[in-house]
Amino acid sequence: QQQVKQSPQSLIVQKGGISIINCAYENTAFDYFPWYQQFPGKGPALLIAIRPDVSEKKEGRFTISFNKSAKQFSLHIMDSQPGDSATYFCAGPFSGTYKYIFGTGTRLKVLA
Amino acid sequence: DAGVTQSPTHLIKTRGQQVTLRCSPKSGHDTVSWYQQALGQGPQFIFQYYEEEERQRGNFPDRFSGHQFPNYSSELNVNALLLGDSALYLCASSPPQGAGYEAFFGQGTRLTVV
Repeated sequence: QQQVKQSPQSLIVQKGGISIINCAYENTAFDYFPWYQQFPGKGPALLIAIRPDVSEKKEGRFTISFNKSAKQFSLHIMDSQPGDSATYFCAGPFSGTYKYIFGTGTRLKVLA
Repeated sequence: DAGVTQSPTHLIKTRGQQVTLRCSPKSGHDTVSWYQQALGQGPQFIFQYYEEEERQRGNFPDRFSGHQFPNYSSELNVNALLLGDSALYLCASSPPQGAGYEAFFGQGTRLTVV
């Protein structure tokens, strides 16, 4: 079973703090690792993504760290804001396809 | 440039009925995938269309079928609706192979089966 395991299930962070969400994957055929942000009643929005040939990618307050040997990748949100309160999903597509396997999601709440 | 658009946004159907959901992909994208997202869960892959053919399929029964048109838009059909089919149905479009790995999602269609 090709799974993507995500943790924690929920996270509460103070405004200005760092939010960290982790994902572990099993299928080594994955070669693209995106994070999606989803607000209630909306579709997932692509937040940031990384290819396995780099270990870190930063876009503004969002950073992906990737550990190929451990088959893990994480999302760091620096200076977390109340507007970041949403559900975050990691995912992996099978190599050469757009068939995505999603994690179970992390509900982030940033306190003002 | 319009993103991925889905219609309708909300739908209420009775158990046993049939439903058709529609999706227009992002400009320049030729691959459309459909996902089912139950409340509090991650999206689950239903199937994917490319060049008007079903290319991949997830673990969903034959009651779920689809179609892709020459303009790359797509439909998802669900027959003999069950209460358990109530979910947010998401369409994702992706660029031609080799042009990227991204999948961009629409806002979804909330289907309620009563």
